[in-house]
Amino acid sequence: SQTIHQWPATLVQPVGSPLSLECTVEGTSNPNLYWYRQAAGRGLQLLFYSVGIGQISSEVPQNLSASRPQDRQFILSSKKLLLSDSGFYLCAWTRDSSYEQYFGPGTRLTVT
Amino acid sequence: GQQLNQSPQSMFIQEGEDVSMNCTSSSIFNTWLWYKQDPGEGPVLLIALYKAGELTSNGRLTAQFGITRKDSFLNISASIPSDVGIYFCAGQGGKLIFGQGTELSVKP
Repeated sequence: SQTIHQWPATLVQPVGSPLSLECTVEGTSNPNLYWYRQAAGRGLQLLFYSVGIGQISSEVPQNLSASRPQDRQFILSSKKLLLSDSGFYLCAWTRDSSYEQYFGPGTRLTVT
Repeated sequence: GQQLNQSPQSMFIQEGEDVSMNCTSSSIFNTWLWYKQDPGEGPVLLIALYKAGELTSNGRLTAQFGITRKDSFLNISASIPSDVGIYFCAGQGGKLIFGQGTELSVKP
């Protein structure tokens, strides 16, 4: 069966510090991968998605970037965090040609 | 762009009651998905719908793909305390779009 991991589970970082969140999927190959941010207002905001290694599409221009160095690894980064980057970050995957997204457990980021 | 209107935004019900929530859009969708999110966790896929008019059940949950393809409904029968959480609809008409969620609270 497939599983999706995210780490760290929680993170407290000062403003201006760098960020690296990691997501990995097991049990499948060539998944489509997604990064979402969920603010306190509950909506899911799609940040990035990837259909393959090195292929990244950005949905919202902002202070973040994403990379996919391996088939089942997706990384969310920032060079300098802003207070507004605080939130709950979710990674999700789908099988190619499917729209059923399966989410990871999330990372709670607090920027202080 | 495409938008989903999910209602109600929140519900406070008594244990044992039935629950109904829905999502509507001005756009046509080809797929409807329903998720539940427990506090501090990622959303979990509950039901997937692929055809207009389709009615699908998962235990006490029943979801329907509206005949116009512009809406979907989720019903929970005989609610229990563990039904507490946020329920999201998601529609696919190109990309997958999520509703804003319905927060369900259940009083024992």
